[in-house]
Amino acid sequence: AAGVIQSPRHLIKEKRETATLKCYPIPRHDTVYWYQQGPGQDPQFLISFYEKMQSDKGSIPDRFSAQQFSDYHSELNMSSLELGDSALYFCASSHLLIGGSEETQYFGPGTRLLVL
Amino acid sequence: QKEVEQNSGPLSVPEGAIASLNCTYSDRGSQSFFWYRQYSGKSPELIMFIYSNGDKEDGRFTAQLNKASQYVSLLIRDSQPSDSATYLCAAETGGFKTIFGAGTRLFVKA
Repeated sequence: AAGVIQSPRHLIKEKRETATLKCYPIPRHDTVYWYQQGPGQDPQFLISFYEKMQSDKGSIPDRFSAQQFSDYHSELNMSSLELGDSALYFCASSHLLIGGSEETQYFGPGTRLLVL
Repeated sequence: QKEVEQNSGPLSVPEGAIASLNCTYSDRGSQSFFWYRQYSGKSPELIMFIYSNGDKEDGRFTAQLNKASQYVSLLIRDSQPSDSATYLCAAETGGFKTIFGAGTRLFVKA
């Protein structure tokens, strides 16, 4: 079965550079979530999109922005990178059930970002 | 106080024993709860989800939810060394926002 695809899998940037992470959800999934997971930390919710509209926002820095496109893929844009942005960035996708709030999120393999 | 609390462990159990993982949450509006397993450096993998009070069983895994006590647990029967991982509890707080606990590290000794 198709899973969530993330690219690139690994990324090395220098401070103050920009980075773009991409996420391709499972086919027919309409919701995308972005998480940041630092070493030894739990995943921190950044932002989510439902049907190409931002649906919720977590601890996403102002330097970061994201969007979901017409084909439901999503991109996380990160500018003015800082050393502390080094982390695993996970994308997850789900399909919102009609009339329900139950959502099972399926995670991608993650993008490991290292800021030097 | 974190919105989702877990004992960070490590929890060590012998092979074949029952591993019991616990989680509490602070937002009474939370509707759905998830247990994910995460191996080091890998993405979280969904083990169970539960949204009704009581028990839900799937193979060797049983999730228990008590909304009055704001408590979620995961029991792993017949624990195997391959179950050794970090188990993340997550609560959907409404809308499209999911809050994770810090995770409990489980070691199953052969």
